[in-house]
Amino acid sequence: DIQMTQSPSSVSASVGDRVTITCRASQGISSWLAWYQQKPGKAPRLLIQAASTSQSGVPSRFSGSGSGTDFTLSISSLQPEDFATYYCQQGNSFPFTFGGGTKVEIK
Amino acid sequence: QVQLQESGPGLVKPSETLSLTCTVSGDSISSYFWSWIRQPPGKGLEWIGYISYSGGTNYNPSLKSRVTLSVDTSKSQVSLRLSSVTAADTAVYYCAGVVERRYFDSWGQGTLVTVSS
Repeated sequence: DIQMTQSPSSVSASVGDRVTITCRASQGISSWLAWYQQKPGKAPRLLIQAASTSQSGVPSRFSGSGSGTDFTLSISSLQPEDFATYYCQQGNSFPFTFGGGTKVEIK
Repeated sequence: QVQLQESGPGLVKPSETLSLTCTVSGDSISSYFWSWIRQPPGKGLEWIGYISYSGGTNYNPSLKSRVTLSVDTSKSQVSLRLSSVTAADTAVYYCAGVVERRYFDSWGQGTLVTVSS
């Protein structure tokens, strides 16, 4: 199985801050990577697929980059509604696997 | 926009079989592949498997011996069966629509299944 490692596991930030989350794959996955946002008690929401393609309706402050084994999700100016847990997921090969999550908390 | 609704027992006894159904509305069940994903309380996400509208499947090897996915196009339903459950199978179970055969772009609200006697 491909292991997905996210860092940090949590981050405290203020509204307006730039936040960057990293996801590393245990082997190359090309650009077959997605990012999800999950708020407490809710299902995850797909933000970005194919490493850098934003879903319709996702604010432009969210961006993804990377290929191979190293990927990042950036939030350019954190808004109150962005406080949530973020997960990466590899879609390169079965079984699909997720990172352990990064919780973005209010500072 | 497709809507997904999971249903099934919220409590299952150890060694028994967990059975859940996901009802699809708002779009044809034949438009997507479908997955089940679970999340133990306070933990991360685990992919269980996926099924095409024609019934082709792929399962997580960690669960493969206990999992069966099926699709009923006449009822617009996708079903999950997980046999011989233990407390480790306690989780919120989500069904999700799969795009590009590898990402999950639509999700049900999830249903908590507790394994306990």
